[in-house]
Amino acid sequence: QKEVEQDPGPLSVPEGAIVSLNCTYSNSAFQYFMWYRQYSRKGPELLMYTYSSGNKEDGRFTAQVDKSSKYISLFIRDSQPSDSATYLCAMSGSQDTNAGKSTFGDGTTLTVKP
Amino acid sequence: GAVVSQHPSWVICKSGTSVKIECRSLDFQATTMFWYRQFPKQSLMLMATSNEGSKATYEQGVEKDKFLINHASLTLSTLTVTSAHPEDSSFYICSASSGTALQETQYFGPGTRLLVL
Repeated sequence: QKEVEQDPGPLSVPEGAIVSLNCTYSNSAFQYFMWYRQYSRKGPELLMYTYSSGNKEDGRFTAQVDKSSKYISLFIRDSQPSDSATYLCAMSGSQDTNAGKSTFGDGTTLTVKP
Repeated sequence: GAVVSQHPSWVICKSGTSVKIECRSLDFQATTMFWYRQFPKQSLMLMATSNEGSKATYEQGVEKDKFLINHASLTLSTLTVTSAHPEDSSFYICSASSGTALQETQYFGPGTRLLVL
């Protein structure tokens, strides 16, 4: 079983829809939770970063972490065609000897249709 | 802030040649850099982790003699694919971590697309 499981998708939604992207994990030592967006043929870019449980909002994006359920989500409101990309969840914890070493999900490809 | 560059952005080479890819953190000092490989429609596969001034730590199954990593300074790491073969064709991405308040996050470069003929 993988340490991080991500809903595989692909996901196709109409413009303006609310999108929910989700990951589950098994390692209770994870404390840092990230969401990256990767456009085709580009490197991933950091979207949201959350420490421990709770919600974090940034514009149209909201990240939620539920450590009790080992479940994280990224919500995109009023989705736009420019949001079409692959979204990767990532997480890491203090058990990692190298700062920043993360475990990634396999990614969910999102298409927002005009 | 937190900009990471890679050079070259793409490279085509003949089988048997060596290719060097540079990864630079432009506006912060990267205590740790990571090298990934990504095949089409697949997720990132961590190849190795490098800390400035020390030997890289390779993931299981990655040949350290084939993928040479040098992290000579806090802003530069290089990956050399030695004696490249067509199966080495892939998208290579580096990332860097500063080890500060956001020490658990990585900032990625734009990637280098390698095609070995």
